[in-house]
Amino acid sequence: DTGVSQNPRHKITKRGQNVTFRCDPISEHNRLYWYRQTLGQGPEFLTYFQNEAQLEKSRLLSDRFSAERPKGSFSTLEIQRTEQGDSAMYLCASSLVRLGRLTDTQYFGPGTRLTVL
Amino acid sequence: GENVEQHPSTLSVQEGDSAVIKCTYSDSASNYFPWYKQELGKGPQLIIDIRSNVGEKKDQRIAVTLNKTAKHFSLHITETQPEDSAVYFCAASWADSWGKLQFGAGTQVVVTP
Repeated sequence: DTGVSQNPRHKITKRGQNVTFRCDPISEHNRLYWYRQTLGQGPEFLTYFQNEAQLEKSRLLSDRFSAERPKGSFSTLEIQRTEQGDSAMYLCASSLVRLGRLTDTQYFGPGTRLTVL
Repeated sequence: GENVEQHPSTLSVQEGDSAVIKCTYSDSASNYFPWYKQELGKGPQLIIDIRSNVGEKKDQRIAVTLNKTAKHFSLHITETQPEDSAVYFCAASWADSWGKLQFGAGTQVVVTP
């Protein structure tokens, strides 16, 4: 399968615990995005990477959230001291941005559903 | 920043009829407009997209139209089938957004046999 993969698919945790999610983008895709989706809403942008560089973070991303893409391939999203309001679907997307183009098709993974009790 | 509004929030159609979903955007600099289909428990799947230098694009039973002057774009699904039942999201991206997408709130489409 050459699509975007995310692990775990589901995570249940207690308030105050730390959680980490992993995203493996489509091979050779140079751009990777994280979005958050709550029930009945569209995905909301959190952050994105161009290769290994994190270029933008949304104001939605509090200091409890951190994302990395150490070698420009897979990425991790960590949430420290989880709160009930963090319960959501966390989606990862990747794209191949070609020279001279600012945007290209984003392909989404299946998401990680986080439930904070 | 960009704001995308999507209507209707729910849409019920008989199998074989057409479905139309409309979105408006606020930033005239927006230049890329994808549509995604999301089934329960899955991530969004791209079904069609259009760039601002094109007014219409078709792919089999799916078409998208763009009116830059009015700042709205629409998804048209013809000859609907039960497997078209899902939540559909429109999105917009603008020149200096570096690809990040602003999504609408979604339309729940139900196709009844």
